[in-house]
Amino acid sequence: DVKVTQSSRYLVKRTGEKVFLECVQDMDHENMFWYRQDPGLGLRLIYFSYDVKMKEKGDIPEGYSVSREKKERFSLILESASTNQTSMYLCASSLGDRATNEKLFFGSGTQLSVL
Amino acid sequence: AQKITQTQPGMFVQEKEAVTLDCTYDTSDQSYGLFWYKQPSSGEMIFLIYQGSYDEQNATEGRYSLNFQKARKSANLVISASQLGDSAMYFCAMRPYSGNTGKLIFGQGTTLQVKP
Repeated sequence: DVKVTQSSRYLVKRTGEKVFLECVQDMDHENMFWYRQDPGLGLRLIYFSYDVKMKEKGDIPEGYSVSREKKERFSLILESASTNQTSMYLCASSLGDRATNEKLFFGSGTQLSVL
Repeated sequence: AQKITQTQPGMFVQEKEAVTLDCTYDTSDQSYGLFWYKQPSSGEMIFLIYQGSYDEQNATEGRYSLNFQKARKSANLVISASQLGDSAMYFCAMRPYSGNTGKLIFGQGTTLQVKP
Protein backbone atom coordinates (compact mmCIF):
# COMPACT_ATOMS: atom_id res chain seq x y z
CA ASP A 1 0.00 0.00 0.00
CA VAL A 2 1.08 3.53 -0.75
CA LYS A 3 1.91 5.51 2.34
CA VAL A 4 1.92 9.29 2.42
CA THR A 5 3.15 10.61 5.73
CA GLN A 6 2.72 14.14 7.00
CA SER A 7 5.05 15.02 9.83
CA SER A 8 2.51 16.63 12.17
CA ARG A 9 -1.20 16.03 12.78
CA TYR A 10 -1.68 19.26 14.72
CA LEU A 11 0.46 22.38 14.69
CA VAL A 12 0.10 25.72 16.48
CA LYS A 13 2.21 28.66 15.34
CA ARG A 14 2.33 32.40 15.90
CA THR A 15 1.73 35.12 13.34
CA GLY A 16 4.92 35.94 11.45
CA GLU A 17 6.62 32.61 12.09
CA LYS A 18 8.14 30.61 9.26
CA VAL A 19 6.36 27.27 9.10
CA PHE A 20 7.44 24.05 7.40
CA LEU A 21 4.98 21.26 6.63
CA GLU A 22 6.67 18.06 5.57
CA CYS A 23 5.32 15.24 3.43
CA VAL A 24 6.97 11.95 2.49
CA GLN A 25 5.70 9.22 0.16
CA ASP A 26 7.16 5.74 -0.12
CA MET A 27 6.02 4.58 -3.57
CA ASP A 28 8.36 6.38 -5.94
CA HIS A 29 5.55 8.60 -7.21
CA GLU A 30 6.41 11.34 -9.69
CA ASN A 31 3.67 13.79 -8.70
CA MET A 32 3.13 15.40 -5.33
CA PHE A 33 0.53 17.97 -4.30
CA TRP A 34 -0.35 20.30 -1.46
CA TYR A 35 -4.02 21.09 -0.92
CA ARG A 36 -5.70 23.28 1.63
CA GLN A 37 -9.13 22.27 3.02
CA ASP A 38 -11.56 24.81 4.45
CA PRO A 39 -15.24 24.31 5.42
CA GLY A 40 -17.56 25.11 2.55
CA LEU A 41 -14.67 25.51 0.10
CA GLY A 42 -13.54 21.92 -0.28
CA LEU A 43 -9.94 21.24 -1.26
CA ARG A 44 -7.98 23.89 -3.13
CA LEU A 45 -4.63 23.26 -4.75
CA ILE A 46 -1.72 25.34 -3.45
CA TYR A 47 1.27 23.90 -5.33
CA PHE A 48 2.24 20.70 -7.07
CA SER A 49 5.40 19.08 -8.33
CA TYR A 50 5.82 16.58 -11.15
CA ASP A 51 9.54 15.96 -10.68
CA VAL A 52 12.42 16.68 -8.35
CA LYS A 53 13.13 20.40 -8.19
CA MET A 54 10.11 21.10 -10.44
CA LYS A 55 7.08 22.94 -9.09
CA GLU A 56 4.00 24.67 -10.39
CA LYS A 57 1.54 27.02 -8.79
CA GLY A 58 -1.94 25.81 -8.09
CA ASP A 59 -5.02 27.92 -7.55
CA ILE A 60 -4.00 29.65 -4.28
CA PRO A 61 -0.18 29.90 -4.10
CA GLU A 62 0.01 33.33 -2.46
CA GLY A 63 1.82 33.25 0.86
CA TYR A 64 3.25 29.77 0.25
CA SER A 65 6.33 28.23 -1.31
CA VAL A 66 7.42 24.63 -1.78
CA SER A 67 10.56 22.57 -1.99
CA ARG A 68 11.22 19.20 -3.58
CA GLU A 69 14.87 18.29 -3.27
CA LYS A 70 14.25 14.53 -3.22
CA LYS A 71 11.62 12.56 -5.06
CA GLU A 72 9.95 11.22 -1.92
CA ARG A 73 9.71 14.51 -0.01
CA PHE A 74 7.61 17.60 -0.72
CA SER A 75 7.67 20.49 1.74
CA LEU A 76 5.21 23.34 2.05
CA ILE A 77 6.61 26.56 3.48
CA LEU A 78 4.69 29.46 4.95
CA GLU A 79 7.25 32.26 4.84
CA SER A 80 5.42 34.44 7.37
CA ALA A 81 2.37 32.73 8.82
CA SER A 82 -0.85 34.71 9.03
CA THR A 83 -4.14 33.95 10.76
CA ASN A 84 -5.90 33.42 7.42
CA GLN A 85 -3.61 30.46 6.83
CA THR A 86 -5.23 28.57 9.68
CA SER A 87 -6.52 25.49 7.88
CA MET A 88 -6.21 21.76 7.26
CA TYR A 89 -3.34 20.99 4.87
CA LEU A 90 -3.39 17.77 2.88
CA CYS A 91 -0.48 16.32 0.98
CA ALA A 92 -1.05 13.87 -1.87
CA SER A 93 0.96 11.91 -4.40
CA SER A 94 0.29 10.08 -7.65
CA LEU A 95 2.20 7.83 -10.00
CA GLY A 96 2.51 10.36 -12.80
CA ASP A 97 1.52 8.22 -15.78
CA ARG A 98 -0.81 10.98 -16.95
CA ALA A 99 -3.90 8.81 -17.28
CA THR A 100 -7.30 10.29 -16.46
CA ASN A 101 -7.93 7.46 -13.99
CA GLU A 102 -4.80 8.12 -11.99
CA LYS A 103 -5.89 8.57 -8.41
CA LEU A 104 -4.28 10.61 -5.68
CA PHE A 105 -3.07 9.06 -2.44
CA PHE A 106 -3.42 11.36 0.56
CA GLY A 107 -1.74 11.82 3.90
CA SER A 108 -3.74 12.22 7.10
CA GLY A 109 -3.52 15.99 7.02
CA THR A 110 -2.02 18.67 9.24
CA GLN A 111 -4.39 20.97 11.11
CA LEU A 112 -2.49 24.25 11.37
CA SER A 113 -3.61 26.99 13.73
CA VAL A 114 -1.94 30.40 13.44
CA LEU A 115 -2.50 32.60 16.50
CA ALA B 1 -13.89 27.40 -16.13
CA GLN B 2 -13.43 23.92 -14.75
CA LYS B 3 -15.49 23.40 -11.65
CA ILE B 4 -17.12 20.80 -9.42
CA THR B 5 -20.31 21.63 -7.52
CA GLN B 6 -21.76 19.70 -4.60
CA THR B 7 -24.99 21.39 -3.54
CA GLN B 8 -25.73 19.34 -0.41
CA PRO B 9 -23.66 20.54 2.55
CA GLY B 10 -25.17 17.86 4.82
CA MET B 11 -27.29 14.73 4.43
CA PHE B 12 -28.93 12.26 6.81
CA VAL B 13 -29.80 8.67 5.97
CA GLN B 14 -31.22 5.81 8.00
CA GLU B 15 -29.00 2.79 8.44
CA LYS B 16 -29.53 0.15 5.72
CA GLU B 17 -31.16 2.62 3.34
CA ALA B 18 -29.65 3.92 0.09
CA VAL B 19 -28.48 7.51 -0.33
CA THR B 20 -27.48 9.64 -3.32
CA LEU B 21 -24.88 12.38 -3.06
CA ASP B 22 -25.08 14.93 -5.85
CA CYS B 23 -22.21 16.19 -7.98
CA THR B 24 -22.23 18.33 -11.11
CA TYR B 25 -19.19 19.39 -13.06
CA ASP B 26 -18.20 21.91 -15.68
CA THR B 27 -15.48 21.34 -18.24
CA SER B 28 -14.97 21.92 -21.94
CA ASP B 29 -12.69 18.89 -22.17
CA GLN B 30 -13.95 15.83 -24.01
CA SER B 31 -11.76 13.54 -21.97
CA TYR B 32 -11.82 13.65 -18.20
CA GLY B 33 -12.05 11.49 -15.12
CA LEU B 34 -14.43 11.74 -12.18
CA PHE B 35 -13.64 10.55 -8.67
CA TRP B 36 -15.28 10.24 -5.29
CA TYR B 37 -13.33 10.32 -2.04
CA LYS B 38 -14.46 9.70 1.52
CA GLN B 39 -12.99 11.60 4.46
CA PRO B 40 -13.82 10.16 7.90
CA SER B 41 -13.22 12.17 11.05
CA SER B 42 -9.65 10.86 11.11
CA GLY B 43 -8.95 13.21 8.20
CA GLU B 44 -7.47 10.83 5.65
CA MET B 45 -8.94 10.89 2.15
CA ILE B 46 -10.03 7.45 0.95
CA PHE B 47 -10.56 6.79 -2.76
CA LEU B 48 -13.97 5.22 -3.46
CA ILE B 49 -14.74 5.09 -7.16
CA TYR B 50 -13.71 6.36 -10.60
CA GLN B 51 -15.63 7.05 -13.83
CA GLY B 52 -14.03 7.93 -17.15
CA SER B 53 -15.80 10.28 -19.53
CA TYR B 54 -15.75 7.67 -22.29
CA ASP B 55 -16.94 4.82 -20.10
CA GLU B 56 -20.35 3.72 -21.32
CA GLN B 57 -21.31 1.88 -18.16
CA ASN B 58 -21.69 3.38 -14.71
CA ALA B 59 -18.86 2.48 -12.38
CA THR B 60 -19.53 0.26 -9.38
CA GLU B 61 -17.35 -0.72 -6.42
CA GLY B 62 -19.14 -2.88 -3.87
CA ARG B 63 -21.87 -0.76 -2.23
CA TYR B 64 -20.79 2.32 -4.18
CA SER B 65 -22.01 3.16 -7.65
CA LEU B 66 -21.61 6.27 -9.74
CA ASN B 67 -24.66 7.52 -11.63
CA PHE B 68 -22.97 9.16 -14.61
CA GLN B 69 -25.13 11.36 -16.84
CA LYS B 70 -22.77 12.92 -19.34
CA ALA B 71 -25.26 15.18 -21.09
CA ARG B 72 -26.32 16.67 -17.74
CA LYS B 73 -22.71 16.76 -16.53
CA SER B 74 -23.58 14.98 -13.34
CA ALA B 75 -21.74 12.23 -11.46
CA ASN B 76 -23.81 11.33 -8.41
CA LEU B 77 -22.56 8.81 -5.86
CA VAL B 78 -25.04 6.18 -4.72
CA ILE B 79 -24.35 4.29 -1.50
CA SER B 80 -26.57 1.26 -1.04
CA ALA B 81 -27.41 -0.28 2.34
CA SER B 82 -25.84 2.51 4.41
CA GLN B 83 -23.76 1.55 7.41
CA LEU B 84 -22.82 3.59 10.49
CA GLY B 85 -19.23 3.60 9.25
CA ASP B 86 -20.33 5.50 6.15
CA SER B 87 -20.73 8.65 8.26
CA ALA B 88 -18.09 10.96 6.81
CA MET B 89 -17.49 13.83 4.42
CA TYR B 90 -17.61 12.92 0.74
CA PHE B 91 -15.83 14.79 -2.02
CA CYS B 92 -16.44 14.68 -5.76
CA ALA B 93 -13.43 15.49 -7.93
CA MET B 94 -12.52 15.81 -11.59
CA ARG B 95 -9.35 15.44 -13.60
CA PRO B 96 -9.61 17.22 -16.94
CA TYR B 97 -7.29 15.79 -19.55
CA SER B 98 -6.14 19.14 -20.92
CA GLY B 99 -3.03 20.51 -19.29
CA ASN B 100 -2.23 16.96 -18.20
CA THR B 101 -0.96 18.05 -14.83
CA GLY B 102 -2.38 15.17 -12.86
CA LYS B 103 -4.15 17.45 -10.42
CA LEU B 104 -7.71 16.94 -9.21
CA ILE B 105 -10.32 19.68 -8.90
CA PHE B 106 -12.54 19.12 -5.86
CA GLY B 107 -16.05 20.11 -4.89
CA GLN B 108 -17.09 21.62 -1.57
CA GLY B 109 -17.96 18.29 0.00
CA THR B 110 -21.08 16.72 1.52
CA THR B 111 -21.25 15.56 5.13
CA LEU B 112 -23.23 12.33 5.46
CA GLN B 113 -24.60 11.14 8.77
CA VAL B 114 -26.02 7.64 9.05
CA LYS B 115 -28.64 7.23 11.78
CA PRO B 116 -29.01 3.91 13.61
